[in-house]
Amino acid sequence: DTGVSQNPRHKITKRGQNVTFRCDPISEHNRLYWYRQTLGQGPEFLTYFQNEAQLEKSRLLSDRFSAERPKGSFSTLEIQRTEQGDSAMYLCASTEETTGAPNSPLHFGNGTRLTVT
Amino acid sequence: AQSVTQLGSHVSVSEGALVLLRCNYSSSVPPYLFWYVQYPNQGLQLLLKYTTGATLVKGINGFEAEFKKSETSFHLTKPSAHMSDAAEYFCAVTFTGGGNKLTFGTGTQLKVEL
Repeated sequence: DTGVSQNPRHKITKRGQNVTFRCDPISEHNRLYWYRQTLGQGPEFLTYFQNEAQLEKSRLLSDRFSAERPKGSFSTLEIQRTEQGDSAMYLCASTEETTGAPNSPLHFGNGTRLTVT
Repeated sequence: AQSVTQLGSHVSVSEGALVLLRCNYSSSVPPYLFWYVQYPNQGLQLLLKYTTGATLVKGINGFEAEFKKSETSFHLTKPSAHMSDAAEYFCAVTFTGGGNKLTFGTGTQLKVEL
């Protein structure tokens, strides 16, 4: 168990540019989640996958945001035409969901901190 | 809809003193409750969880929490604070059939002083 890995750890970009983040979950975990955390706030749910299927997207996820999880392994989160309001920590988490009951906790990566200038 | 309220965005205790971080939840269905800890520039680490069964749950690093349905609370405690406990603590809630999506509180920053 090598944990959830996120890359890059930090990203600085200019407004209007596109950025892409990667998340590698714990290998046997079938569910993968993306959260966004701004300063002084708790993480906010963005979207999640079960295997390769994207099951739910938050209203926070505008049409500039897209997430994929090809082959049910790693996931990418892309933000197009970044805005200063996109500056935040983007957290990825994974878990093994088997019974429908949330007995398995989410395991979080260390996040990607995005700064839009 | 579910929600979590953490009273006190900042809590300061002396080393060796009792730690009490408050969490109240709102849920129309039986909740599953979690406490996570976050150190600077890191992700969240699970401290403990309540799913079903025993209402007093013990976690890592000497923390424990008690689920009180009548008070809709899940407060986190530790008998004796250590300097290494200084971090931000988040309470979170989910429910069966909710996709295991967590709804987090706004967090409590714990400061431990000598």
